This record gives sequence, C-alpha cells and structure tokens, in this order.
Amino acid sequence: GAGVSQSPRYKVAKRGQDVALRCDPISGHVSLFWYQQALGQGPEFLTYFQNEAQLDKSGLPSDRFFAERPEGSVSTLKIQRTQQEDSAVYLCASSLGRAQPQHFGDGTRLSIL
Amino acid sequence: KNEVEQSPQNLTAQEGEFITINCSYSVGISALHWLQQHPGGGIVSLFMLSSGKKKHGRLIATINIQEKHSSLHITASHPRDSAVYICAVYRGQNFVFGPGTRLSVLP
Repeated sequence: GAGVSQSPRYKVAKRGQDVALRCDPISGHVSLFWYQQALGQGPEFLTYFQNEAQLDKSGLPSDRFFAERPEGSVSTLKIQRTQQEDSAVYLCASSLGRAQPQHFGDGTRLSIL
Repeated sequence: KNEVEQSPQNLTAQEGEFITINCSYSVGISALHWLQQHPGGGIVSLFMLSSGKKKHGRLIATINIQEKHSSLHITASHPRDSAVYICAVYRGQNFVFGPGTRLSVLP
C-alpha cells in the first residue's frame, strides 16, 4: 500500500479483556516497530522486527504484551488481560532499515474501561 | 533527566513569524530524526540528519554533534504548520523520542 495502515483506529475494551492491534507496513519494508504513546508524551519503543524475526522486545512493559510478524509483512500486537494503564495510542512504523527514516501509521487509540 | 529534551514545550506564534524548536540530548547518537505529528495522530518524517544542515521548503534543520543539540526552524510560518514537533535520536539500535513541542500558528 501507499502508507502504513493500522487497524482498528479506535478500540475500547473492558479491563481484563484481550485485544489485538494490526499493522500493515509499506510493502518491501524490512523493519517494523511498535511504539506506545501516552497523552502528551513522545512515542516509547516497544518492539522491533526485521522481516519475521523479532530482534528486540526490550520495550514491552510486561508479559501480557506479545507481538508477531509471522510472514514478514503484517504484524499484530496483542495485549492480554488489559489494564487501565494500557490505555494509550499504539503506533506502528516501518522502514527500509533499522536506522532509516520511519514511516508511521495513524495509530490505534486504545481505551481500557 | 530525560535522554532527549525539547524546548519550548508549547509555542504560539503569529502567521509569518520565524519559529525555532530546540532538541538537546545527553547521549552519543548516530542520527537525529525530526517528525511532525498532527492532531489526528499521524506522524510524518521531516528530516533525518547526522551532521550539518538540511532544508526542505520552509523547514530547516541543523545539528551540532559536539554540543548535542539540534534545531528545527520554520520560516514564514502558516496555520497549517500547527502540530507537535518531535525529535528522536538514534542511539544504540533504537530511536529515543523527545516529548514534543506543541506549535500553534495563529492567522
């Protein structure tokens, strides 16, 4: 596609529910990043994929967070047993390489009630 | 102290004014990325630079590696420039983002 696509755009869930957020990167982009952005803050790194390999998951805040990119293109970020502190905008970005300029999706705004 | 700091936090300007947004960082980096985030949330890459200066239209970015400082300048500002401007430094193998500067340009 022309840009990075994320879905859903908005997600409301009750505390304790599981959620899945999807990212469709720019075709041909090897690198894919997930970020969490709290209100009024800059994005915070969650995890990084190079093709289908998850090379860095040091930013995932707990073992309730899980990400995958099984075929090296579309990626899913899953949050299990959601908590109120998980409420944030989740951004996906893709690039040609890890140190290259990143192209961001519009994000998924997650609200946990 | 945050690794990446930006100033000012908020900035209001009149249309046509020259604007400067500053980014300072405390760690060694190999590159710095300036990004623009509009109210809807979408983030657009403006510049990536590791030395000197880059210009694109009304936007100019400079970086001084020795002083660990970068500036983003907007000439002849326009209301459509209203957005949050974020700098991100490439350190190690990841980008570390600043908190952003919220710019409002009034007509």
